[in-house]
Amino acid sequence: DAKTTQPTSMDCAEGRAANLPCNHSTISGNEYVYWYRQIHSQGPQYIIHGLKNNETNEMASLIITEDRKSSTLILPHATLRDTAVYYCIVRSNYGQNFVFGPGTRLSVLP
Amino acid sequence: NAGVMQNPRHLVRRRGQEARLRCSPMKGHSHVYWYRQLPEEGLKFMVYLQKENIIDESGMPKERFSAEFPKEGPSILRIQQVVRGDSAAYFCASSPQPGTSGRAGEQFFGPGTRLTVL
Repeated sequence: DAKTTQPTSMDCAEGRAANLPCNHSTISGNEYVYWYRQIHSQGPQYIIHGLKNNETNEMASLIITEDRKSSTLILPHATLRDTAVYYCIVRSNYGQNFVFGPGTRLSVLP
Repeated sequence: NAGVMQNPRHLVRRRGQEARLRCSPMKGHSHVYWYRQLPEEGLKFMVYLQKENIIDESGMPKERFSAEFPKEGPSILRIQQVVRGDSAAYFCASSPQPGTSGRAGEQFFGPGTRLTVL
């Protein structure tokens, strides 16, 4: 599975958009970009995933560059409860484990 | 539809004892994954099982650790003769048969079992 690079930590003001970047320059054609988050040592929570096109759901938006070498997770209106470690993972879609890196520790500030 | 269930949520063992961690996957899921998270570290894959089969145990320590997912009942992660270094959070995740879900490839995580070895 391709390796990802994320900033160690980020701050965001409550109510503002949080934009979390992820580099995955060695991603292969059949690999998806997944985002999970872990709030205060709870089990990781699925956020969103995508292959080529931008994706949006009730939690977030995922913007993938045309060359697929990087992506951005957008939380449109961050709240204090969004404070967590966010993991960007690339993986093909069938049956393999996820390889978690250190992720980005997002702190949403009042 | 209940999520992934793990029990116990907290487990305390003395060095040399055995620890048994249980994971009940989501209804309809036949694939189970175990991950370990040491304090202040990320999750590390341990083992991937389907019903009655170990598919990938490349992340499992060679000694003292074993896992099973029987035809009936929960998946069990067993740690024999625990040592202080085994203290960690152990997370289980489950997924449906690949290709059968609208969110193919997604894994659903349980709340974890926090093992403390005294």
